[in-house]
Amino acid sequence: GAVVSQHPSRVICKSGTSVKIECRSLDFQATTMFWYRQFPKKSLMLMATSNEGSKATYEQGVEKDKFLINHASLTLSTLTVTSAHPEDSSFYICSASLPGGRNEQFFGPGTRLTVL
Amino acid sequence: KQEVTQIPAALSVPEGENLVLNCSFTDSAIYNLQWFRQDPGKGLTSLLLIQSSQREQTSGRLNASLDKSSGRSTLYIAASQPGDSATYLCAVGNQAGTALIFGKGTTLSVSS
Repeated sequence: GAVVSQHPSRVICKSGTSVKIECRSLDFQATTMFWYRQFPKKSLMLMATSNEGSKATYEQGVEKDKFLINHASLTLSTLTVTSAHPEDSSFYICSASLPGGRNEQFFGPGTRLTVL
Repeated sequence: KQEVTQIPAALSVPEGENLVLNCSFTDSAIYNLQWFRQDPGKGLTSLLLIQSSQREQTSGRLNASLDKSSGRSTLYIAASQPGDSATYLCAVGNQAGTALIFGKGTTLSVSS
């Protein structure tokens, strides 16, 4: 149990286009999901907290109009990178917590975004 | 602001050795601590979760300890194998339902 999937696993796009990344909890409901970004040889940096049925909470320095987050159901959160630029190229990973208070988080396999 | 530090940044050992990875955090008022494994280009695999009231957790050859008062956790790997080669990440949860704060990881290489 406790499986989180992400799609796509890898995407290459041109500058100026938008890319949508999906994060799904496959066998549990997640009222909260988290989006992280990882630079090469760096740790994971939290971008935003995605709350089902309400607006996402963004970390300082993360542009909410550029990184659109939608959490329309208890098993799906999406991150849309709008008007992508080469500096947006990165590894994006989502996570979800199991309900019940343990705060144990499970991560998706990540999405490698390359913007040309 | 919580900060998580992992040392060493990299470690190379021969197969069969026992080893310890270290993690420290600046604010001892944590909710839990989680150890992950990350293979190159992949997502994170949860290894062990320690709640703030616990001292250690074990899974197979892995043992994680937590000393909240000193702000430290260790991950002990017994009888290392080449398949253990990966980056190990320590992450702290400050409250229930909040995101984790990660260290930069320790990259482990086990040679056969």
